[in-house]
Amino acid sequence: GENVEQHPSTLSVQEGDSAVIKCTYSDSASNYFPWYKQELGKRPQLIIDIRSNVGEKKDQRIAVTLNKTAKHFSLHITETQPEDSAVYFCAARETGANNLFFGTGTRLTVIP
Amino acid sequence: NAGVTQTPKFRILKIGQSMTLQCAQDMNHNYMYWYRQDPGMGLKLIYYSVGAGITDKGEVPNGYNVSRSTTEDFPLRLELAAPSQTSVYFCASTPQGGHTEAFFGQGTRLTVV
Repeated sequence: GENVEQHPSTLSVQEGDSAVIKCTYSDSASNYFPWYKQELGKRPQLIIDIRSNVGEKKDQRIAVTLNKTAKHFSLHITETQPEDSAVYFCAARETGANNLFFGTGTRLTVIP
Repeated sequence: NAGVTQTPKFRILKIGQSMTLQCAQDMNHNYMYWYRQDPGMGLKLIYYSVGAGITDKGEVPNGYNVSRSTTEDFPLRLELAAPSQTSVYFCASTPQGGHTEAFFGQGTRLTVV
């Protein structure tokens, strides 16, 4: 099955700086790549997703890029704020597949 | 809409005890999932269901059972609890497979002692 690797496992940035989290996947048939944010003690929630027919998608301070050839995708958060502190998970899914394969998570801390 | 509701939020079990984690969704989603989240790890799929009466194993099904008698409910059963099942359990649902957002419940923190 699919194997999703995520780096780094922890990331600390100063408020206002940018944060980048990277994921790689193994199955070239995967074509849907969501990112979830999980605040402490809360449920994971979707923040952005990208499909394989698109190279980049942006939503205000959050953007995701996809490189299908290299099989990696990244989450970019600009102008970070303390409320961005959370664990972020990437995931990958193949069309028609029933499972969503998750990375191991990145704990982002934004230092005021 | 309540979304996906899990009960209980916390539970301590003794080794060998059994329990059922409840999950209900009111969004009329066909697909439902159970994940476990261990410290420092991602979410691993235990079981999933693509509709009432249909269930299938995920990556880590051993020690668990599920049933899906209605579209709304997808309970997870632990028959003989073991310390290795200490984890946070999340139920999730999607309208269908493919490129659709997964909605998660608030999680159940289970400790087996």
